[in-house]
Amino acid sequence: NAGVTQTPKFQVLKTGQSMTLQCAQDMNHNSMYWYRQDPGMGLRLIYYSASEGTTDKGEVPNGYNVSRLNKREFSLRLESAAPSQTSVYFCASSEWSGKGFFGPGTRLTVL
Amino acid sequence: GDSVTQMEGPVTLSEEAFLTINCTYTATGYPSLFWYVQYPGEGLQLLLKATKADDKGSNKGFEATYRKETTSFHLEKGSVQVSDSAVYFCALSDGNSGYSTLTFGKGTMLLVSP
Repeated sequence: NAGVTQTPKFQVLKTGQSMTLQCAQDMNHNSMYWYRQDPGMGLRLIYYSASEGTTDKGEVPNGYNVSRLNKREFSLRLESAAPSQTSVYFCASSEWSGKGFFGPGTRLTVL
Repeated sequence: GDSVTQMEGPVTLSEEAFLTINCTYTATGYPSLFWYVQYPGEGLQLLLKATKADDKGSNKGFEATYRKETTSFHLEKGSVQVSDSAVYFCALSDGNSGYSTLTFGKGTMLLVSP
């Protein structure tokens, strides 16, 4: 099993550009998540999907949109990137117990 | 809402020293508690978990006990190694709504010197 995979691993954008971060899991988990990690801030939840066909806002959803394409895939879109969105983005999926499995992360820089 | 507070770092220790990283939580229900570890340049890995009061999670020499009365889940290790240098995150999952979202503390960096 590959676990949770994310693409790309690194990305540099200019302010105002758009991009989509891709995430896929092969563990048949219902729940998937997008977090961002910033120095001194821990991990903050952007959006989550409790099950296929549903998505909900987390703690910091502004400037982002998500799509739960199917049970395996959960994408995060930045429509108009801003320097404040420079961060490391982690996708995760979880079992019912709450045990989370994380992808390797995407390092995004917005100039 | 749910929250997790953990001690600020960095925690700097010599090899074979005793480690404690404090973690306290606030939750409305009966959460599961986790410690995750993040090595440089990598994603988070589950280190240990506890699902109910008085449970002790353990893995790789690390331990943490779910203390409902003090709402705490402190991470301990009797003898740290240089390879334990990483960032440690305490987290909780409420799981009361048919799904689970993880709420994380801000992380504590551990630096172990030879």
